[in-house]
Amino acid sequence: DGGITQSPKYLFRKEGQNVTLSCEQNLNHDAMYWYRQDPGQGLRLIYYSQIVNDFQKGDIAEGYSVSREKKESFPLTVTSAQKNPTAFYLCASSYAGGTEAFFGQGTRLTVV
Amino acid sequence: QQQVKQSPQSLIVQKGGISIINCAYENTAFDYFPWYQQFPGKGPALLIAIRPDVSEKKEGRFTISFNKSAKQFSLHIMDSQPGDSATYFCAASHGSSNTGKLIFGQGTTLQVKP
Repeated sequence: DGGITQSPKYLFRKEGQNVTLSCEQNLNHDAMYWYRQDPGQGLRLIYYSQIVNDFQKGDIAEGYSVSREKKESFPLTVTSAQKNPTAFYLCASSYAGGTEAFFGQGTRLTVV
Repeated sequence: QQQVKQSPQSLIVQKGGISIINCAYENTAFDYFPWYQQFPGKGPALLIAIRPDVSEKKEGRFTISFNKSAKQFSLHIMDSQPGDSATYFCAASHGSSNTGKLIFGQGTTLQVKP
């Protein structure tokens, strides 16, 4: 089945640690995105990539980093510089310049 | 100018009733307006979308109404069912940017009472 796979579903991080969230897609989409979801704030764009080896900052990129070494993969690292990382993280993909974005099932990150 | 404002924040409707969620935008370059449905603990899924060259689009019980001059669009859910209980997000993007990135509204939590 084609789709977007995010892992893990739940992640716990100690303060001061970096953690990496995985996102893989087999839809042959060129573009991939990371959104953060907090209660009452909708989805906010962290980073996006339109092509391999290229990515752009979104609205809330501080404290996050990404890589795009393969078309299918777009991992997100939440660094210790992110002061409030507890949130629900969603990965999405679409065709280049496309419209419909397909979302993964999300990773819930909690700082303990 | 990149914001999309959504209201109400929450909505309770009786089974069989009409649910209406409204969104407003400022950037006139937006040319794609989707609505996403999200169930708890899941990722959002595209429900229905519209482009500004039409004023209305209907798919089953779901209808988008679009008012270009007012820069507003709304989702109407006819004959609302308990299974429609979810969070709904409006969004907007502009194709000229060629990025595909979406600007989302704040979300509306819909509860349909049996």
